[in-house]
Amino acid sequence: DSGVTQTPKHLITATGQRVTLRCSPRSGDLSVYWYQQSLDQGLQFLIQYYNGEERAKGNILERFSAQQFPDLHSELNLSSLELGDSALYFCASSARDPVGNEQFFGPGTRLTVL
Amino acid sequence: DAKTTQPPSMDCAEGRAANLPCNHSTISGNEYVYWYRQIHSQGPQYIIHGLKNNETNEMASLIITEDRKSSTLILPHATLRDTAVYYCIVRVANTGNQFYFGTGTSLTVIP
Repeated sequence: DSGVTQTPKHLITATGQRVTLRCSPRSGDLSVYWYQQSLDQGLQFLIQYYNGEERAKGNILERFSAQQFPDLHSELNLSSLELGDSALYFCASSARDPVGNEQFFGPGTRLTVL
Repeated sequence: DAKTTQPPSMDCAEGRAANLPCNHSTISGNEYVYWYRQIHSQGPQYIIHGLKNNETNEMASLIITEDRKSSTLILPHATLRDTAVYYCIVRVANTGNQFYFGTGTSLTVIP
């Protein structure tokens, strides 16, 4: 158990819909990262938040957005869903932002878009 | 960003040492080498990381060559539960702390 929690575990929805994935980092961790893992793309970094502020962006679509709240939990919002958005979405957290810190990953949310 | 190259798959007999190689010839001086593994569709699990010196923890050892262009992850006594995809990652400096995962090595531990 990494200490990172993600809800829900599974999500099934239809094309065009909007969903919200939630992540609670390990106690005390200030950084939250979101990754997408699909069958044909592997693990892709989406976005990072540090202490409530966006820190880095990866391959995140404009239809996707995220935020980190004052209690440090984070939400990833996916809108206008397409079949290709079906994937595992992982959240990770790390203690601070200096070089050398490892990231701890949650169990993931499996999104299925029908 | 520094890229890594790993063999797509490897087998190892149970109880023997598993040596997983990784090439990272474009690594910069301040970039760390990290190893993670992913068992089935679970979240990636941290194994070990290092900068220049060899590192050892309760899970594995990390051997980094002197020129830092390659490294080897060593699982000293592989068990069936070590069957997983192993990712070698070089952290991209000055762009946050995100990881860029490659395709990894699928390690199968054989009874």
